Amino acid sequence: DVKVTQSSRYLVKRTGEKVFLECVQDMDHENMFWYRQDPGLGLRLIYFSYDVKMKEKGDIPEGYSVSREKKERFSLILESASTNQTSMYLCASSSGLQAGGNTIYFGEGSWLTVV
Amino acid sequence: GQQLNQSPQSMFIQEGEDVSMNCTSSSIFNTWLWYKQDPGEGPVLLIALYKAGELTSNGRLTAQFGITRKDSFLNISASIPSDVGIYFCAGHFGNEKLTFGTGTRLTIIP
Repeated sequence: DVKVTQSSRYLVKRTGEKVFLECVQDMDHENMFWYRQDPGLGLRLIYFSYDVKMKEKGDIPEGYSVSREKKERFSLILESASTNQTSMYLCASSSGLQAGGNTIYFGEGSWLTVV
Repeated sequence: GQQLNQSPQSMFIQEGEDVSMNCTSSSIFNTWLWYKQDPGEGPVLLIALYKAGELTSNGRLTAQFGITRKDSFLNISASIPSDVGIYFCAGHFGNEKLTFGTGTRLTIIP
């Protein structure tokens, strides 16, 4: 089974703090994604990566950056956390365009509260 | 960009009832996916569809890839309490990123 693991389930941070959200997948997937999920807004893509050291902006990249130094690990960074970044963050991975299509597998989610 | 309309937004049913929900797209897809999300957890893949007209089952769940390639349906038969949650459809075409529906919240009335 695909396993996407997010290191922190619940975090509380202060405004202005630098926040790291870590994600690891164990299926040698090429693609990794970071989404945030908010009531009424659904899933919104922040950043994604198709390869090591490669990143592309999603729909809402402002206030975030990412790092992919190893294939299995994709980190989301909030350089200076703000209260409007309080949300549930979901990491996901997929194997790219193969016979199975672009099927995405999600982690359990990280609840971030910025106070 | 692509838009996915998922309906209904919420459902209140009694245990044992069958459930139907659907998604329609403004453009054609070549992959449709259905996910379930339990409260406080990440979405879990239920069924993946890769071919127009495809009908796939996973236990009491059945999903179909519409012939027009612009819609998909998910049915749950004989609902049980653990079916409670939010169901999302998602789809994509070619190299484009996945587009997600807004979800259907399923509640089972005791």
